[in-house]
Amino acid sequence: DAGVIQSPRHEVTEMGQEVTLRCKPISGHNSLFWYRQTMMRGLELLIYFNNNVPIDDSGMPEDRFSAKMPNASFSTLKIQPSEPRDSAVYFCASSRDRQETQYFGPGTRLLVL
Amino acid sequence: AQKVTQAQTEISVVEKEDVTLDCVYETRDTTYYLFWYKQPPSGELVFLIRRNSFDEQNEISGRYSWNFQKSTSSFNFTITASQVVDSAVYFCALSGAGYSTLTFGKGTMLLVSP
Repeated sequence: DAGVIQSPRHEVTEMGQEVTLRCKPISGHNSLFWYRQTMMRGLELLIYFNNNVPIDDSGMPEDRFSAKMPNASFSTLKIQPSEPRDSAVYFCASSRDRQETQYFGPGTRLLVL
Repeated sequence: AQKVTQAQTEISVVEKEDVTLDCVYETRDTTYYLFWYKQPPSGELVFLIRRNSFDEQNEISGRYSWNFQKSTSSFNFTITASQVVDSAVYFCALSGAGYSTLTFGKGTMLLVSP
């Protein structure tokens, strides 16, 4: 079975530009999570969806960040406008159900200049 | 509130040594789940193990073993006869029964030298 798929794997952009990160969860998984990893803050949960519905977005830093899950096999995380402090590795993870093991994608390494 | 503490920031060993990575957790839940993930230099997060709070049996998988002790709120991870390929950052994580978010520790970087 394919694991969690994320694209792009690397993204370099300039401050002020819009960035869209994409995630395809493992087929049959009902829960999807977006995390951000930085040296300073470690791994932090941004938002999670259950059955395509956002359940907890308390970790989303500010209004510049938005996430959608239009169907069970696709989610996006958008940053508009991007800022240098958004530079990080963004991980998407999915699990079969809310309390099951989360499996992570390879991550998107974002650099905002 | 939940908390996971990995007090060892970095550990260096020579190949074939045994090494133990410590994990101490705090939670008020009576039912909870503990995890270990591995992050090799390539950057992906690889799931290693999941234990629930009702199962205190130690687990062994090849060179990996886990020691779960509720009395000390610890879930330690031992690698026997370490190898260079074990070099990675290892994260301990916790989730409560009532919600599915993971609380991660800061991670322990393990460097195994030949």
